[in-house]
Amino acid sequence: GNSVTQMEGPVTLSEEAFLTINCTYTATGYPSLFWYVQYPGEGLQLLLKATKADDKGSNKGFEATYRKETTSFHLEKGSVQVSDSAVYFCALNSGGYQKVTFGTGTKLQVIP
Amino acid sequence: DVKVTQSSRYLVKRTGEKVFLECVQDMDHENMFWYRQDPGLGLRLIYFSYDVKMKEKGDIPEGYSVSREKKERFSLILESASTNQTSMYLCASSSGDRGRVTEAFFGQGTRLTVV
Repeated sequence: GNSVTQMEGPVTLSEEAFLTINCTYTATGYPSLFWYVQYPGEGLQLLLKATKADDKGSNKGFEATYRKETTSFHLEKGSVQVSDSAVYFCALNSGGYQKVTFGTGTKLQVIP
Repeated sequence: DVKVTQSSRYLVKRTGEKVFLECVQDMDHENMFWYRQDPGLGLRLIYFSYDVKMKEKGDIPEGYSVSREKKERFSLILESASTNQTSMYLCASSSGDRGRVTEAFFGQGTRLTVV
C-alpha cells in the first residue's frame, strides 16, 4: 500500500534560517504529492503540490521537487519567519477515489 | 471560498454514549472523508464516501460508522464512545474528477474527549 515517511520533529529554527523537511514515499503507480500546513487551532490547508516527476511546487516562499528516482518530496524555504510556525504534513494521492495518505507531520517552531 | 464546516470545535462525551460528528461542505464535492489526528500518528483515514449513500472503509474503521444522506453532509458516528476514541477529528472534501488528482479541503476539526 501507499505510505509517507517524514522527518520527526519538532524542528526549531531562528528567524531567517534555511528550512528543509524531508519526505519520502512508497506508492503504486504515479501519485501526486502534496505539502499541507496546519496552523495552531486550524484545519489543514494545501501549501503546494506536484503532479508528476521533476515538477516543482511552490507557494509563499516554500518549494518542493518531485524526485521519482529517490521517491522524495523534500520541503524547503530559504528564510523562515515566525509566522511559518506550524505543523507540516507530506501527503500523496494516487487518484481514483482521491484518497490521500499523510505522513505523521513535522512541527516547526521559528523563534525571533 | 470553499468551506468545510464541522458542527463543533470541542466535545466532551461519556463512555458508552452515541456520538455524532457532522460535516457540511458547500462546493458540491463528490468525495468526503473523515480522518482522526493523533500525535505521532499523523492523519489516519476512518471512512470516506464518493457519492450519496455510498461509503468505504478507510484504514481504521472499527468503532465508527458514517452516514451520507445528502451530497453536502457527511456524518461520523461513534456507536458507543470509548476513551481510546479521544482525538482530533478532521473532515475533508474533494471533487470526484477521476482523470486528475484534486485538492482536499479540510474543516477546522473537532476535538473530542471521551471521559
